[in-house]
Amino acid sequence: DQQVKQNSPSLSVQEGRISILNCDYTNSMFDYFLWYKKYPAEGPTFLISISSIKDKNEDGRFTVFLNKSAKHLSLHIVPSQPGDSAVYFCAASATGTYKYIFGTGTRLKVLA
Amino acid sequence: DVKVTQSSRYLVKRTGEKVFLECVQDMDHENMFWYRQDPGLGLRLIYFSYDVKMKEKGDIPEGYSVSREKKERFSLILESASTNQTSMYLCASSHPSGPQPLHFGNGTRLTVT
Repeated sequence: DQQVKQNSPSLSVQEGRISILNCDYTNSMFDYFLWYKKYPAEGPTFLISISSIKDKNEDGRFTVFLNKSAKHLSLHIVPSQPGDSAVYFCAASATGTYKYIFGTGTRLKVLA
Repeated sequence: DVKVTQSSRYLVKRTGEKVFLECVQDMDHENMFWYRQDPGLGLRLIYFSYDVKMKEKGDIPEGYSVSREKKERFSLILESASTNQTSMYLCASSHPSGPQPLHFGNGTRLTVT
């Protein structure tokens, strides 16, 4: 049972445009959500997080939106750059647990 | 900056061998994790530890064990390696208070032949 889903395995975007990566979850106990970026042969790098008490969090070019009623979060990258080409994972956890559940990842390709 | 170091970037082992994957973190984090990453499956939790000598099974612990004798070091052990354990193995750590993000090492690409 996949509790965190990234339904788009891949996404291509032109440089300078917006990239939108989506993530859905099923467990209503999740209250902390994260996005990671991963280059080949490297470990995932933490990008941005959001707590369930918020619906938006921004850090530079990266913004995460959380829609609790729809159990959906998205990562917006504006403007997209070729260096953003990587695999992006969303993850979720619930207060009181140590576990972080990851999605299957979306491969983003930013075209120059 | 948190540094999580995995001892090997690439390993090739034979079926049936006992394999040790080592991970060290330098930020005095209580929580440490082992994940494996496979195409189309994302990151799946094998084991985690929330204190020295404490461990809990994750979602796919079969065929693996772990050891945490010191706070900074968390080892993953493949008792008898099999070809379906060929994967990218990722160690991570986090601070216990929080919610806190995980900090990952660079991974160990293990091939079992």
